[in-house]
Amino acid sequence: SAVISQKPSRDICQRGTSLTIQCQVDSQVTMMFWYRQQPGQSLTLIATANQGSEATYESGFVIDKFPISRPNLTFSTLTVSNMSPEDSSIYLCSVGFGSNEKLFFGSGTQLSVL
Amino acid sequence: RKEVEQDPGPFNVPEGATVAFNCTYSNSASQSFFWYRQDCRKEPKLLMSVYSSGNEDGRFTAQLNRASQYISLLIRDSKLSDSATYLCVVNPRGYQKVTFGTGTKLQVIP
Repeated sequence: SAVISQKPSRDICQRGTSLTIQCQVDSQVTMMFWYRQQPGQSLTLIATANQGSEATYESGFVIDKFPISRPNLTFSTLTVSNMSPEDSSIYLCSVGFGSNEKLFFGSGTQLSVL
Repeated sequence: RKEVEQDPGPFNVPEGATVAFNCTYSNSASQSFFWYRQDCRKEPKLLMSVYSSGNEDGRFTAQLNRASQYISLLIRDSKLSDSATYLCVVNPRGYQKVTFGTGTKLQVIP
């Protein structure tokens, strides 16, 4: 496994603003992902953060709304842009190791949009 | 049919009881199976992988039934600290296809 540091842990934001969430891993990882967990629901994959290239987004998520950076193998950011109350959710970064397909998660960012 | 289905619960059980959760999945090509534990407002944490032969880790036993497409988690001698939501996770192939169940909430009562 790895130590995955995510910040901020929580934030309350105004409608129309943007928030950038940071994820730092204590070792180099190939696979890094961003998930969203809306209240009472399970985790939904937003995108795969690719090192040195554009992120790969899942259906229903677009780069303009959720721009992602991955400058190296230990760090990534997710920005939630032009926020609305519907974006209120927990956002989680996640890493995977090797071929065993186990995922490990950062501590999450609890976002509330007013 | 949902890709991964779990009974949301809550399962309210007394300390020391044995409790079991099931999770069904729809994709017969699924390759990897896991149980995660998620405490309130915390991130999911890997509890255990699930193998066809079944596997045990202390008080926890996980089973996979490929024919009926379900996995199970058995917790013996429940502790108060076992109170959490248990997520079933299924992976047909590749990280991007990992599918999480909505979780089963367990409350262990003194």
